[in-house]
Amino acid sequence: GQNIDQPTEMTATEGAIVQINCTYQTSGFNGLFWYQQHAGEAPTFLSYNVLDGLEEKGRFSSFLSRSKGYSYLLLKELQMKDSASYLCAVRATGSYQLTFGKGTKLSVIP
Amino acid sequence: DTGVSQDPRHKITKRGQNVTFRCDPISEHNRLYWYRQTLGQGPEFLTYFQNEAQLEKSRLLSDRFSAERPKGSFSTLEIQRTEQGDSAMYLCASSISGEQYFGPGTRLTVT
Repeated sequence: GQNIDQPTEMTATEGAIVQINCTYQTSGFNGLFWYQQHAGEAPTFLSYNVLDGLEEKGRFSSFLSRSKGYSYLLLKELQMKDSASYLCAVRATGSYQLTFGKGTKLSVIP
Repeated sequence: DTGVSQDPRHKITKRGQNVTFRCDPISEHNRLYWYRQTLGQGPEFLTYFQNEAQLEKSRLLSDRFSAERPKGSFSTLEIQRTEQGDSAMYLCASSISGEQYFGPGTRLTVT
């Protein structure tokens, strides 16, 4: 089975940097995904890590350490529109389904 | 490419009734997934198709749930004899490689 943990809520200030952590346990690892979900809307894809290291995409970066079962999503130059839930999801070896964490609700304040 | 579409967007039904939802994936995507999401939770996997073949199905999925993808394009998810616990957002996603792209979802309310 798989277990994914991420903080329930976080608050950060507009213009700042925030790091959202995710730890996971899985019997076989084949990729970690981050999605953004605004209230009442569908998740939208942000990033995908399958090898250790940092993937940068504009204001968003995602890091993976497979040996530690750990990932983080880094959001820079926060904007009010970044207020949303951020979902960490893991794909296991031999499967295409994603197992999601419960999500981290990020509130960006002025 | 208009993205993944789902129909209807909202459905209210009485307990015991059957409901059917439709998903149209992104046109060149051969993989299609159904998930269910309740408030405060992440999406929960239900089932997965590659072309017309249903290759994965959650062990948590009740026998009242069935999904089809007859021609490898659109898919339907049917829930028979709905229960109040079936109230949730039903999300469809499609992919051609790693990342999955989600549709807007169908919100089901069982009264």
